[in-house]
Amino acid sequence: QLVLTQSPSASASLGASVKLTCTLSSGHSSYAIAWHQQQPGKGPRYLMKVNSDGSHNKGDGIPDRFSGSSSGAERHLTISSLQSEDEADYYCQAWGTGIRVFGGGTKLTVL
Amino acid sequence: EVQLVESGGGLVKPGGSLRLSCAASGFTFDIYNMNWVRQAPGKGLEWVSYISSGGTYIYYADSLKGRFTISRDNANNSLYLQINTLRAEDTAVYYCAREYCSSTSCYSAFDYWGQGTLVTVSS
Repeated sequence: QLVLTQSPSASASLGASVKLTCTLSSGHSSYAIAWHQQQPGKGPRYLMKVNSDGSHNKGDGIPDRFSGSSSGAERHLTISSLQSEDEADYYCQAWGTGIRVFGGGTKLTVL
Repeated sequence: EVQLVESGGGLVKPGGSLRLSCAASGFTFDIYNMNWVRQAPGKGLEWVSYISSGGTYIYYADSLKGRFTISRDNANNSLYLQINTLRAEDTAVYYCAREYCSSTSCYSAFDYWGQGTLVTVSS
């Protein structure tokens, strides 16, 4: 069963960097995932797709401060030079035949 | 500019029905696979349903099979979600979302989202 696991919360200081993690369930470590950002009161916004080899494909207009990487079954989203508007919920998303799945989301607080 | 605009939400009594719509513009709608995703108040994102570009393939989340029907009208660039026998737990913002496709590759990352339409089920 395809399941994505995320830590419920994370925090980092303004101007610093933070690395969020999404872990794929056993047997799915080769899957690509997508990262989405949801700012308070808004709809989700696509950030990027992260492949199992760590390569990533960003969405339209996504700043260079956002990057992706992989390690085994983990898919990472790194945000550098944190800004106040980066305070949001971040969701990972995966897919298979007949199924689309979201992680539980990570609430990022910018201190 | 890609736009997805949902409509059709509102306050409905338990047991009622609702048809949500998603109007697409700024892209060639009939070559893209589409999805519905919902988000209950204060909760995370939950995938609801998928429909292929031509409408041939349709999938639903296992927990939601039976009361939800996804459809599309490519001539009118529209996506729909029919929800029957509404329950309190269906209260959520419902989003339509497009899957990525370019001239070189397609994959099922949701690359554009609408702003959502709120469905409230209450007596």
